Amino acid sequence: NAGVTQTPKFQVLKTGQSMTLQCAQDMNHEYMSWYRQDPGMGLRLIHYSVGAGITDQGEVPNGYNVSRSTTEDFPLRLLSAAPSQTSVYFCASSYRQGASYGYTFGSGTRLTVV
Amino acid sequence: SQQGEEDPQALSIQEGENATMNCSYKTSINNLQWYRQNSGRGLVHLILIRSNEREKHSGRLRVTLDTSKKSSSLLITASRAADTASYFCASYQTGANNLFFGTGTRLTVIP
Repeated sequence: NAGVTQTPKFQVLKTGQSMTLQCAQDMNHEYMSWYRQDPGMGLRLIHYSVGAGITDQGEVPNGYNVSRSTTEDFPLRLLSAAPSQTSVYFCASSYRQGASYGYTFGSGTRLTVV
Repeated sequence: SQQGEEDPQALSIQEGENATMNCSYKTSINNLQWYRQNSGRGLVHLILIRSNEREKHSGRLRVTLDTSKKSSSLLITASRAADTASYFCASYQTGANNLFFGTGTRLTVIP
């Protein structure tokens, strides 16, 4: 049982480039989300999805797009990378959105924008 | 910001001692959760306490919740070197229906 798989683990982008961070889970979880982690800031919610075809914005959505065409996959797209998007990105999933469930996290993608 | 804060930011103790970390949050919650993050890894769920609970135990972990003060604490008893990690509280906020994380406490357990 793989849990939540994120790829790539490391990425360096030039300013203005675009890329997609991949996230896949094999637990049939309805809820998936993306966080970014910056020093001294904790984790901040970027986007989330409560099921296939449904997405919504979190605290810091600007510069990022998401889609959820299947239950398993929840990719995060950076449209035009900026140095402010240098961060560690985590994908998380939960059985469903609700107050009773803990989150399962992927191992993260460390992104540097130069 | 919807984040909470944790205190202290860093804590260093000897193996066998107890470690206490505190968390404050800003709005009403359905539950509060604690996670551990080893260096360079993802977060791992430790324990969840509901808003109508005051204390919960799991192995060497003890969590308390005071909704009147909007605060929680995590106690790790008889610490081990393997407990060295960052610990985050996360509040499941009523209405927002998402998990919002604190800034974390970096715990170092010295063998």
